[in-house]
Amino acid sequence: ETGVTQSPTHLIKTRGQQVTLRCSSQSGHNTVSWYQQALGQGPQFIFQYYREEENGRGNFPPRFSGLQFPNYSSELNVNALELDDSALYLCASSLEGTDTQYFGPGTRLTVL
Amino acid sequence: GENVEQHPSTLSVQEGDSAVIKCTYSDSASNYFPWYKQELGKGPQLIIDIRSNVGEKKDQRIAVTLNKTAKHFSLHITETQPEDSAVYFCAASWGFGNEKLTFGTGTRLTIIP
Repeated sequence: ETGVTQSPTHLIKTRGQQVTLRCSSQSGHNTVSWYQQALGQGPQFIFQYYREEENGRGNFPPRFSGLQFPNYSSELNVNALELDDSALYLCASSLEGTDTQYFGPGTRLTVL
Repeated sequence: GENVEQHPSTLSVQEGDSAVIKCTYSDSASNYFPWYKQELGKGPQLIIDIRSNVGEKKDQRIAVTLNKTAKHFSLHITETQPEDSAVYFCAASWGFGNEKLTFGTGTRLTIIP
């Protein structure tokens, strides 16, 4: 167990809707990264938050946004859902200045 | 940006034999190389990592080797057991702390009893 939790476990939405996914970081970890993992692929970096500010972004459109809270929990928001957004969404927490990222179990999002 | 290639995509080995998974990376600035194991329905679990100032690292049955000149690194699992069956991912990052990870496409390892 990594101490990183995510909710919900599964989610089904329809195209055009909005979704919020939640992550609780490992205690003391002030950095959270979000990844999208399509079926049969490796995780793709979406963005990272450090001290409540976005600290790097991958090749994802602005409809993917996030928040990090003072208690180090975080959210990933996706607007105007598209069919291709169907994937496993993973959050990973890490301690400032260290390389190791600890992943949560993920949220499986299905867009119909 | 960084690109990580991973081979093979599937690997089957007899229980007790060794398994080797190989990755190559494109960005010579990358200096942190973790390996993750992902079981069905779970998130990736870090199993071993290596930094560019080290050529080899071992942890019980698992070892990782790094060749900076050729820009490739490999995962070696010895004395494989059924519980080693999973999907394995290599990754690379700049490793200055809190850098994004670029993942390979994964290797599905099956241990045949």
